[in-house]
Amino acid sequence: QSVLTQPPSASGTPGQRVTISCSGSSSNIASNFVYWYQQLPGTAPKLLMYRNNQRPSGVPDRFSGSKSGTSASLAISGLRADDEADYYCALWDGSLRAWVFGGGTKLIVL
Amino acid sequence: EVQLVESGGGLVQPGRSLRLSCTGSGFSFRDCGMSWVRQAPGKGLEWVGFIRRTTYGGTTEYAASVKGRVTISRDDSKSIAYLQMNSLKTEDTGIYYCTREQCDDFPDMDVWGKGTTVTVSS
Repeated sequence: QSVLTQPPSASGTPGQRVTISCSGSSSNIASNFVYWYQQLPGTAPKLLMYRNNQRPSGVPDRFSGSKSGTSASLAISGLRADDEADYYCALWDGSLRAWVFGGGTKLIVL
Repeated sequence: EVQLVESGGGLVQPGRSLRLSCTGSGFSFRDCGMSWVRQAPGKGLEWVGFIRRTTYGGTTEYAASVKGRVTISRDDSKSIAYLQMNSLKTEDTGIYYCTREQCDDFPDMDVWGKGTTVTVSS
């Protein structure tokens, strides 16, 4: 059971906008940067969003991140079939001196 | 190109030891911290531990689930980070990823290797 809670699955049709949530607490999300990783089937995770809402170079602006209080969200607009993947939120908890990952959300493109 | 390549995985019996290696290239290895993250079959990501960059003391942190059984070390002259795992259990089975982080003042776990598979079974 992770301290960061994500829905197990999310779905949408091509072109739609979907949002994946990551819920935590005042001691983790509210106090630290949130990161998002995309793991395509059979591949290693890839950094998708860093420091709450920053996109690494090469990540399309269809992807956006936000954080408010004890929750963070990843939004994907203009959904595409190749967005089908597992998405994880994560943060470095300085008080625990540990990285914490959410349980992951499987995004299904219908 | 920034790259991390893991090696050393394989089939090992319960109770035995295994050492994984992670070789970095395309960046200043000594100026970054390195983490290990694992993924059991069909499961999510689990952080194992990390080692700070040498200029920050090269100190280590470990997940509670593995503390006392694993040791992370680094050889900056070879750009390699190691994960020594002892008293292996079947639940240690999975893909082990090496990641780069803390190359500046932020935690930023930004680069991942392709992973190496560890199977603990008799």
